Amino acid sequence: DGGITQSPKYLFRKEGQNVTLSCEQNLNHDAMYWYRQDPGQGLRLIYYSQIVNDFQKGDIAEGYSVSREKKESFPLTVTSAQKNPTAFYLCASSIGGGPWTEAFFGQGTRLTVV
Amino acid sequence: GDSVTQMEGPVTLSEEAFLTINCTYTATGYPSLFWYVQYPGEGLQLLLKATKADDKGSNKGFEATYRKETTSFHLEKGSVQVSDSAVYFCAWGGNDYKLSFGAGTTVTVRA
Repeated sequence: DGGITQSPKYLFRKEGQNVTLSCEQNLNHDAMYWYRQDPGQGLRLIYYSQIVNDFQKGDIAEGYSVSREKKESFPLTVTSAQKNPTAFYLCASSIGGGPWTEAFFGQGTRLTVV
Repeated sequence: GDSVTQMEGPVTLSEEAFLTINCTYTATGYPSLFWYVQYPGEGLQLLLKATKADDKGSNKGFEATYRKETTSFHLEKGSVQVSDSAVYFCAWGGNDYKLSFGAGTTVTVRA
């Protein structure tokens, strides 16, 4: 079945460590996105990529980095520079090319800094 | 700037009650509008969508109509079930590859 797979579902990190969240899709979508979800704040866009080897900062990119070396994969690294990394992270993809039709979401990764 | 505002929750209802969640948007141009649903511990699923004015999206008994004159996309369901308990997000997408979300409304349906 086609879809988006995020791993791991739960992740614990010590302060000062970098951690990478995985996102893979087999929908043949050009565009991929990372969102952060905090209680009562909806979803905020971290980074997005419209095509392989290209990506743009979203609204809250500070302390995060991404890569898009393959169409299927868009990993997100939460660096030690992110002041408040504990959150629920959601990856999404869409056909791309605008205007918007639909975004498909993964099941999310819950990151906790301990 | 462009934004989405949706009704704050939480909303608690009894089974078979009528549900309305208000959503209004501020955007230039003619965005596409969406309602997403999130069940506990999961990602978001598309519930319904509308891509132009006066379009009505519908799915699983939920409906929403794209009202350009009032810049609204209110979600309605005539008779809710316990299984409709979830967080509902209104969203809009323009031509800049960004999908903007409202803050989400938590709905709890009691048997």
